[in-house]
Amino acid sequence: DTEVTQTPKHLVMGMTNKKSLKCEQHMGHRAMYWYKQKAKKPPELMFVYSYEKLSINESVPSRFSPECPNSSLLNLHLHALQPEDSALYLCASSQESLGALGGSPLHFGNGTRLTVT
Amino acid sequence: ILNVEQSPQSLHVQEGDSTNFTCSFPSSNFYALHWYRWETAKSPEALFVMTLNGDEKKKGRISATLNTKEGYSYLYIKGSQPEDSATYLCASGNSWGKLQFGAGTQVVVTP
Repeated sequence: DTEVTQTPKHLVMGMTNKKSLKCEQHMGHRAMYWYKQKAKKPPELMFVYSYEKLSINESVPSRFSPECPNSSLLNLHLHALQPEDSALYLCASSQESLGALGGSPLHFGNGTRLTVT
Repeated sequence: ILNVEQSPQSLHVQEGDSTNFTCSFPSSNFYALHWYRWETAKSPEALFVMTLNGDEKKKGRISATLNTKEGYSYLYIKGSQPEDSATYLCASGNSWGKLQFGAGTQVVVTP
């Protein structure tokens, strides 16, 4: 069982819908991440939160809005998505962010498979 | 090299055989090199995090080496077993906190 929990596992949404992806960890990790992965492609970094503050935004379109309500939770709010946004969205956490303490391994959730119709 | 590249994209191995594959990464601003194993229907699992040139790490039958000067890492599987079938991802991290993944090497071990 993964220690990072993502919900929902699958999501189908229309281009006018608003939905949210949720991620939760209780390992006391201080960094949390959103990655997007399309089939046969590398996972692409979207956002990094370090100590509940947004530290990296990889020029992600504003239709994706991250939120870190507390150190255990990470949300990704979705609005007015496009069909090309269909992908697997992975959440991960690490003890510290990459630039600290020699680079901690990431702990991943199982992902949310998103389909935009 | 601007991106993280893994080769081969996929490989088939007979049970009991050993194999290895490569991860190439930008050597400038290098901070850490990660290896993950990703089995179907599961989440990626961390195998190794390496930071020093010449580092070698081992976990059971799996080991990895790191050359930061030339920007490559090898992952070795000794005596492959069917449970080693997975996609192996490497990721290179820079000092600004960004971890860039390769597309992975898919390993299929046949009995």
